[in-house]
Amino acid sequence: NAGVMQNPRHLVRRRGQEARLRCSPMKGHSHVYWYRQLPEEGLKFMVYLQKENIIDESGMPKERFSAEFPKEGPSILRIQQVVRGDSAAYFCASSPPSEWGEKLFFGSGTQLSVL
Amino acid sequence: AQSVTQLDSQVPVFEEAPVELRCNYSSSVSVYLFWYVQYPNQGLQLLLKYLSGSTLVESINGFEAEFNKSQTSFHLRKPSVHISDTAEYFCAVSDQGFQKLVFGTGTRLLVSP
Repeated sequence: NAGVMQNPRHLVRRRGQEARLRCSPMKGHSHVYWYRQLPEEGLKFMVYLQKENIIDESGMPKERFSAEFPKEGPSILRIQQVVRGDSAAYFCASSPPSEWGEKLFFGSGTQLSVL
Repeated sequence: AQSVTQLDSQVPVFEEAPVELRCNYSSSVSVYLFWYVQYPNQGLQLLLKYLSGSTLVESINGFEAEFNKSQTSFHLRKPSVHISDTAEYFCAVSDQGFQKLVFGTGTRLLVSP
């Protein structure tokens, strides 16, 4: 039973380019969460999605950031026109629908570096 | 808003010695508290959690943490560490449900022979 899969592990982009981060939840999990860890800070909640629905995006920056979790395929976190301040580790987590969620299952993260 | 403080960014310790990783959170009426561990090149894994009931919670690999409401702390302890415990440990708190965990900056535990 594979865990939460994130790819790529490392992503390098130049300022102004787009970054697409992918997350495949564990089998049977229909809830996906994205967290961001800026240098020297703790992980911060960004967005919570269920299949085809954004449940809570209160942690998402208002511009350039978007997330989706389509009916088929992985969840995508998209960052348009990246800036140096977007450099961070982006973690995806998933949980099954019937569990309160006190046990999030995390992926290994994508390290985004903006040159 | 909730916040979590992990004062120690790195804790070096010898194998078989005891260890305590400190975690303090900002006060709230009721909170849920977690410790996650991240081994090298892996995702975060839940180590233990406090939701309600007994203030002392234990993990299957010998770690324990005690919820102290008066001191707003949830320190993690192990009486005798192993080399394999070398990892990054994150304390997290939630008062809004499971999707909005607030994490500390992490403590890197380095166990040497």
